[in-house]
Amino acid sequence: GAVVSQHPSRVICKSGTSVKIECRSLDFQATTMFWYRQFPKQSLMLMATSNEGSKATYEQGVEKDKFLINHASLTLSTLTVTSAHPEDSSFYICSARVPRGTAYGYTFGSGTRLTVV
Amino acid sequence: AQSVTQPDIHITVSEGASLELRCNYSYGATPYLFWYVQSPGQGLQLLLKYFSGDTLVQGIKGFEAEFKRSQSSFNLRKPSVHWSDAAEYFCAVVLYGGSQGNLIFGKGTKLSVKP
Repeated sequence: GAVVSQHPSRVICKSGTSVKIECRSLDFQATTMFWYRQFPKQSLMLMATSNEGSKATYEQGVEKDKFLINHASLTLSTLTVTSAHPEDSSFYICSARVPRGTAYGYTFGSGTRLTVV
Repeated sequence: AQSVTQPDIHITVSEGASLELRCNYSYGATPYLFWYVQSPGQGLQLLLKYFSGDTLVQGIKGFEAEFKRSQSSFNLRKPSVHWSDAAEYFCAVVLYGGSQGNLIFGKGTKLSVKP
C-alpha cells in the first residue's frame, strides 16, 4: 500500500521548452506532496511543498515561475519545468505524506531524470 | 537549526560482515525518524521508522535501528550484509506536529559491498 507513481522516468528536452512531471498516489489520498531535486551523489533538496487545492510553498532560492507546481486533486501533483535550460538537468523526486495510521510516513516516487540539451 | 548528520560518506564492507550506519539529529524534541535506501536512478524505499515505544525497530531486508535519546542517534544495523545491499542510505527526520512536516535528510552514506 501507499504507492506513489511518478512519470516519466526519463525525459530529454530541448533548451527553452517545458516539461511536466506527474506524481500520482495510487491507493491513498495525498493532501500533501513534496518535490525534491537531487544532484549527482548528493542528498535530496526540498524544492516545494504542495497541498491539495492551495498554492505550493517554495523553499528559499527556488524559482516559483520556473518550477510550477499544481496539486489540483488528492491523487495528483505535477511539476512543470518551464523554459528549461541545461542547468535544470537533474533528478526530480516526488513524495507524499501518507495519512496517519499504521502506514503513516512518507512514500516516494521512482524519480524523473531530466536532461536538457 | 534542525539538522541530520550522517558522518560517514562512504563505507565498504565485505559480504557477510556486519554493518552499522550512523545517524545523529539535532532537535529540541524527539522527532519521527526514518531510514531510506536508494538504488542508482531510483526513488527512495523505506527501510524502517521510529515514532515512539520500543527503541529497537525492525525493518525490511533484515535491517534494524536503535533510537538512543541520550545520544540523539538512530543508527542502522544489519548483522550480515548481502551484495544486493550496496546502495545509498539516507537518514531522515520530521518534527512531530511541524507546520510543514517535510522530511529533513542527512547527506547520505554510500554502501559498497566487496565479495
